Amino acid sequence: GESVGLHLPTLSVQEGDNSIINCAYSNSASDYFIWYKQESGKGPQFIIDIRSNMDKRQGQRVTVLLNKTVKHLSLQIAATQPGDSAVYFCAASSGTYKYIFGTGTRLKVLA
Amino acid sequence: GAVVSQHPSWVICKSGTSVKIECRSLDFQATTMFWYRQFPKQSLMLMATSNEGSKATYEQGVEKDKFLINHASLTLSTLTVTSAHPEDSSFYICSASILDNGGTDTQYFGPGTRLTVL
Repeated sequence: GESVGLHLPTLSVQEGDNSIINCAYSNSASDYFIWYKQESGKGPQFIIDIRSNMDKRQGQRVTVLLNKTVKHLSLQIAATQPGDSAVYFCAASSGTYKYIFGTGTRLKVLA
Repeated sequence: GAVVSQHPSWVICKSGTSVKIECRSLDFQATTMFWYRQFPKQSLMLMATSNEGSKATYEQGVEKDKFLINHASLTLSTLTVTSAHPEDSSFYICSASILDNGGTDTQYFGPGTRLTVL
């Protein structure tokens, strides 16, 4: 079945370093991808999205890279801060409104 | 912009009672609203999709008579957990989607409701 997975359940990075969170998806028809950040006890917060006609998109301190050939996307966070500590989910959709969510990666920022 | 609220943020109820959770899009009219359930340290599980004025579409394995969804307007959807049992205890999250000019639906999530059934 369709799935979206993440390569690592937990990622620990030193404050100030860059973070890279990876995500793989299985449906080659997926054409829209989103990264969400979820802090403990809160709902997911939209970070950045990318459509399949792009391979890179940048936001404030964040960059999403999409490799459709290997069905992989990544979220890069520059100069990681303690406030970035959270669980990060990728989600993919394929021309419909329905999202398939990944399992989540917990980012821990070490002081 | 794109703010979604949920009420209540947490609720504790006795087994057998019903609980209603509201989801509102505060500064936009939502194309569609979604209800998710999330267990500790797990991802979001889609329960149902609802559009204003029509019946909700439930995902496989989700009991529609157990989880009643009413979508009264373009800014309000409610989820009622009927005859709640301890196994219904979970974090319930709604989202509301905006359809942009490019035809992309982006979902914005509410803060979630923690339900504990005793």
